[in-house]
Amino acid sequence: RKEVEQDPGPFNVPEGATVAFNCTYSNSASQSFFWYRQDCRKEPKLLMSVYSSGNEDGRFTAQLNRASQYISLLIRDSKLSDSATYLCVGVRGYQKVTFGTGTKLQVIP
Amino acid sequence: NAGVTQTPKFRILKIGQSMTLQCTQDMNHNYMYWYRQDPGMGLKLIYYSVGAGITDKGEVPNGYNVSRSTTEDFPLRLELAAPSQTSVYFCASSLIGTGADSPLHFGNGTRLTVT
Repeated sequence: RKEVEQDPGPFNVPEGATVAFNCTYSNSASQSFFWYRQDCRKEPKLLMSVYSSGNEDGRFTAQLNRASQYISLLIRDSKLSDSATYLCVGVRGYQKVTFGTGTKLQVIP
Repeated sequence: NAGVTQTPKFRILKIGQSMTLQCTQDMNHNYMYWYRQDPGMGLKLIYYSVGAGITDKGEVPNGYNVSRSTTEDFPLRLELAAPSQTSVYFCASSLIGTGADSPLHFGNGTRLTVT
């Protein structure tokens, strides 16, 4: 079983829609979690950290459920510019960084 | 502030050739990493360094070597290129390892093809 698993998608949603991605992790020792965004043929960039209490950044909300070992990302009012691949990342210690394979989002006009 | 800079952006190698992928960062980050990304796969860690003079293997180190003589530079060396090393390579850095207050900063990537 992969340490971090994501549905690869693609998720095709119309502009203005709300879309949610989930990511599961298998190692309960993972301490920190992040969502990164990767545009086609570009480098990953940090979207947001994920906390158990949930955190929000504009239209984006991230949540961590340690009991069920999953992380979620909710995007409200989708924009065309949100089209990208979203990478779930789990970290153990400071060096053991595991990336999911990514979930592709396509926002359609 | 350039961040993490990688060169070259693209390279085609013949089987058995050698090359060095360059990576430099100007953020005074202690930690530096090399990842490879294959289509449909997550990023896999090749090597990492926690400071000048210190390097360690990641998940897929075979066929690669690194050095960290300065805080800024972390070159990746391919000695005998093989088709299996065709991939996109990303260098990354972070201040104190990867945590909530120390995210990874990536370079633009190097697209390497070995034929």
